[in-house]
Amino acid sequence: AQSVAQPEDQVNVAEGNPLTVKCTYSVSGNPYLFWYVQYPNRGLQFLLKYITGDNLVKGSYGFEAEFNKSQTSFHLKKPSALVSDSALYFCAVRDNDGGFKTIFGAGTRLFVKA
Amino acid sequence: GAVVSQHPSWVICKSGTSVKIECRSLDFQATTMFWYRQFPKQSLMLMATSNEGSKATYEQGVEKDKFLINHASLTLSTLTVTSAHPEDSSFYICSARGNGGATNQPQHFGDGTRLSIL
Repeated sequence: AQSVAQPEDQVNVAEGNPLTVKCTYSVSGNPYLFWYVQYPNRGLQFLLKYITGDNLVKGSYGFEAEFNKSQTSFHLKKPSALVSDSALYFCAVRDNDGGFKTIFGAGTRLFVKA
Repeated sequence: GAVVSQHPSWVICKSGTSVKIECRSLDFQATTMFWYRQFPKQSLMLMATSNEGSKATYEQGVEKDKFLINHASLTLSTLTVTSAHPEDSSFYICSARGNGGATNQPQHFGDGTRLSIL
């Protein structure tokens, strides 16, 4: 069975500092991995995905994520945080070897302080 | 990019009322759409997968007679909450995969519908 874990409920960072939002996953086959962001009373917006190829994936709004197969992780990063990055972030995994159902993590709330 | 439109964004109604939520893919065809429910400060719970022209696939524990799903065209899926009660109050979000639903594509989400049953 596939699963995804976001170990931190909340991440606090000062504006201008680098940020990391952690995600680990478990699938039986090869994973498709995604990051989404949600602002209050809105649906989720797609940030980036890893399907195959380079382990470092670049996405929207300056975000990037690194796929680490040995550690089964897909942490979201940004070199310099903005106050406007404050939102709820979801990691998601899809097992491409069967089912193709997407499983979402519990979410991590990011607070960027000015 | 792929846009999913969800309507209405907010509904307040009396207990016992049925409420219909529409989900449209505006610039792409979506053979498959997904309906989620999100409780405050929690992740998305997949309720059902809506397939164009066929019956929806419901997740375990979701009452199909309570949450009626219709996916009559490649751009429209509807969720009807029948005889809604206060415990049905929640944030409902629809989603569709871009590029005809290819499995390596991200999901595109509507802005959600906040349903409040009095």
